Amino acid sequence: KAGVTQTPRYLIKTRGQQVTLSCSPISGHRSVSWYQQTPGQGLQFLFEYFSETQRNKGNFPGRFSGRQFSNSRSEMNVSTLELGDSALYLCASSPGTSGVSTDTQYFGPGTRLTVL
Amino acid sequence: AQSVTQLGSHVSVSEGALVLLRCNYSSSVPPYLFWYVQYPNQGLQLLLKYTSAATLVKGINGFEAEFKKSETSFHLTKPSAHMSDAAEYFCALSSGGSYIPTFGRGTSLIVHP
Repeated sequence: KAGVTQTPRYLIKTRGQQVTLSCSPISGHRSVSWYQQTPGQGLQFLFEYFSETQRNKGNFPGRFSGRQFSNSRSEMNVSTLELGDSALYLCASSPGTSGVSTDTQYFGPGTRLTVL
Repeated sequence: AQSVTQLGSHVSVSEGALVLLRCNYSSSVPPYLFWYVQYPNQGLQLLLKYTSAATLVKGINGFEAEFKKSETSFHLTKPSAHMSDAAEYFCALSSGGSYIPTFGRGTSLIVHP
């Protein structure tokens, strides 16, 4: 089975711009989660989508949004970029059918976003 | 609220030596606990997870971890370190039916020849 893929792998943007990141989960997985990883804050949960609905949400401002399509692919959007948004954005997929905490998550390689 | 504390941001061992990475947690309800490994420029890979079955959990690449409720710990061990084990290791917790996981800050494992 192909793993989780994320595009693009690297992005450079300037403050005030917006950006869209894409994630394709493992075939058959219906849950997609997004994380932000920074040296200062570590790994932080952004949100989780299951069957095109946002099922869980972390503590991030409304500038961070996402969506999931009927084929389970997911996109994450960040509007009005700030310098502090520079990070590695990780996507993880799981079957999602257990609904909760014990699912094994499979991570993609991440998108490295640099905001200048 | 739940939290995870990884003791030591860096751990250095010699090849062939015991690896011990420490993780303590705080949770008001029974937790599910995970260890992940992250190699440079890659995402996280699950090493093992505890989901309230056996307290000694065996994972991939020779790693294991023991859940100790009395000590609120879930330390990761490997009897003999390999150079290929050099990576960042993350302990994570989820609990109470909440899908939202909490990650520790990570421990960088350095393996010397």
